[in-house]
Amino acid sequence: QKEVEQNSGPLSVPEGAIASLNCTYSDRGSQSFFWYRQYSGKSPELIMFIYSNGDKEDGRFTAQLNKASQYVSLLIRDSQPSDSATYLCAVYNQAGTALIFGKGTTLSVSS
Amino acid sequence: KAGVTQTPRYLIKTRGQQVTLSCSPISGHRSVSWYQQTPGQGLQFLFEYFSETQRNKGNFPGRFSGRQFSNSRSEMNVSTLELGDSALYLCASSNGQGFSSPLHFGNGTRLTVT
Repeated sequence: QKEVEQNSGPLSVPEGAIASLNCTYSDRGSQSFFWYRQYSGKSPELIMFIYSNGDKEDGRFTAQLNKASQYVSLLIRDSQPSDSATYLCAVYNQAGTALIFGKGTTLSVSS
Repeated sequence: KAGVTQTPRYLIKTRGQQVTLSCSPISGHRSVSWYQQTPGQGLQFLFEYFSETQRNKGNFPGRFSGRQFSNSRSEMNVSTLELGDSALYLCASSNGQGFSSPLHFGNGTRLTVT
């Protein structure tokens, strides 16, 4: 199985700041990358996904992908206390049959 | 559209017993994946089924098995339960079209083994 690495945190930011969450992956052949958010006691929910190098923006969220460095990040602008959760990075295996997750980064946004 | 439904929500079993968990995917989704989530290990991939065929299996012992029915509903079975099997078991569905298919998760089954 390929590996997906995330800093476990916690990452603490004040309300209104930019939160930057990072993820590295080991399989250079990986093609698609997903970010999920998981609130305590809840199941993961999809935030966004990215396939191509560069940035993809969706509201306050921006995903950045650098395949040469095997690095994907998620930026959350104007962070809100409601963004406090664990953020999971996920990468498909080469066959597209298994989505492999990192252990997640816990984000805490203080008001 | 109804989401992914998992039953039961909670289970308490004794070591040595077996358990079956059920998952109904989103209508139209043909792929079902199962994950085990524990505080220490995070989300670990168990297996994935597409059109009743297991396409991939994670690194779990043979006590963990699953199947998928013709209506895409899936079941997961754990035999000879161990204390370490206590976890949240999550089922997720997708259209199964590979790299562009995000997973949609159910609410999970919380299994406690005593």
